[in-house]
Amino acid sequence: NAGVTQTPKFRVLKTGQSMTLLCAQDMNHEYMYWYRQDPGMGLRLIHYSVGEGTTAKGEVPDGYNVSRLKKQNFLLGLESAAPSQTSVYFCASSYPADFTDTQYFGPGTRLTVL
Amino acid sequence: ELKVEQNPLFLSMQEGKNYTIYCNYSTTSDRLYWYRQDPGKSLESLFVLLSNGAVKQEGRLMASLDTKARLSTLHITAAVHDLSATYFCASNTGNQFYFGTGTSLTVIP
Repeated sequence: NAGVTQTPKFRVLKTGQSMTLLCAQDMNHEYMYWYRQDPGMGLRLIHYSVGEGTTAKGEVPDGYNVSRLKKQNFLLGLESAAPSQTSVYFCASSYPADFTDTQYFGPGTRLTVL
Repeated sequence: ELKVEQNPLFLSMQEGKNYTIYCNYSTTSDRLYWYRQDPGKSLESLFVLLSNGAVKQEGRLMASLDTKARLSTLHITAAVHDLSATYFCASNTGNQFYFGTGTSLTVIP
């Protein structure tokens, strides 16, 4: 099993450009999450999904959109990138029937917006 | 919104010494998670604490949870260099997870 994978690993954007980050998991997990990690701030939840076709806002959703068209994929979109969105983005998944709700994280995407 | 606070933020300790990282959270939650992150890497799950009084141990790390005090501790025994990393605690409410800002641990020979 590959676990949780993220594409791309690195990206540089200019202000105003758009892009989509792809997260894929092969563990048949129901729940998927997008976080951003900034120095000194830990991880903050952007959006999450509790199943195919569902999405919900997290702590810092502004400027981002998400879609969960297939159970194994969770896409994070930036419609008009801003320098404040420079960050490392992590995707995670979990299986609610597993009582521990342990989250499994992808390797991260390092995004720089100039 | 649930707030999670860790201290200390930075910890430099000598090999062989013991130390404790503290994690306080602001609202009622029965669960507490500890993760480890190596520089430039992703997060790895260390412990999941599911109830008041829960204690889990793995090697030189031991985590405990006091839900009444809203406090979890991560105790390091006889530190070794391989434990150098950033440690995060997290709690959840509903389906949302909230992370502390992390404790950057450096173990010095």
